[in-house]
Amino acid sequence: GAVVSQHPSRVICKSGTSVKIECRSLDFQATTMFWYRQFPKQSLMLMATSNEGSKATYEQGVEKDKFLINHASLTLSTLTVTSAHPEDSSFYICSARGGRHEQYFGPGTRLTVT
Amino acid sequence: KQEVTQIPAALSVPEGENLVLNCSFTDSAIYNLQWFRQDPGKGLTSLLLIQSSQREQTSGRLNASLDKSSGRSTLYIAASQPGDSATYLCAVEKSGFQKLVFGTGTRLLVSP
Repeated sequence: GAVVSQHPSRVICKSGTSVKIECRSLDFQATTMFWYRQFPKQSLMLMATSNEGSKATYEQGVEKDKFLINHASLTLSTLTVTSAHPEDSSFYICSARGGRHEQYFGPGTRLTVT
Repeated sequence: KQEVTQIPAALSVPEGENLVLNCSFTDSAIYNLQWFRQDPGKGLTSLLLIQSSQREQTSGRLNASLDKSSGRSTLYIAASQPGDSATYLCAVEKSGFQKLVFGTGTRLLVSP
């Protein structure tokens, strides 16, 4: 149980375009999901907390107009990277909070902006 | 601001050894602490979660302890196997905030 999926697993896009990443909790409902970013050989950095039916809460230094988060249902949150640039290239991971307060993580999405 | 540090940053051991990974955090007001495993290019797999009121948790060959007052947790891996090779991350959740703060990670390599 407690499976979180992400789609796509890898995406390559051109500079200036927008990319949407989906995060789904497959076998449980998650009122709260989290989006992280991970640079090579570094730890995870929390970008934002996504709450179902309300606006996301962004961490300091994260541009909310660039990283649009929508949590439209109890099983789906999306992250849209708008007007992507090469410096946005990274590994994006989502997580969903389960009933025992554990966080379950998706497999990640590798974004490459050319 | 909570800071989480893991020592060592990298560890290489022969198969069969018992080993200890360390995690320290600066703010003891935590709700829980979680240990994760991450394989290269993959997401995170939750290994053990210790609530702030608990001292340790065990799962198979893994044992995690928590000493909240000193800001420390250890992950003990018994009889290590090559399949244990991965990066191990600890993360703490501050009371009432739900957000996880991750440690710097320990890259483990177990040689056959």
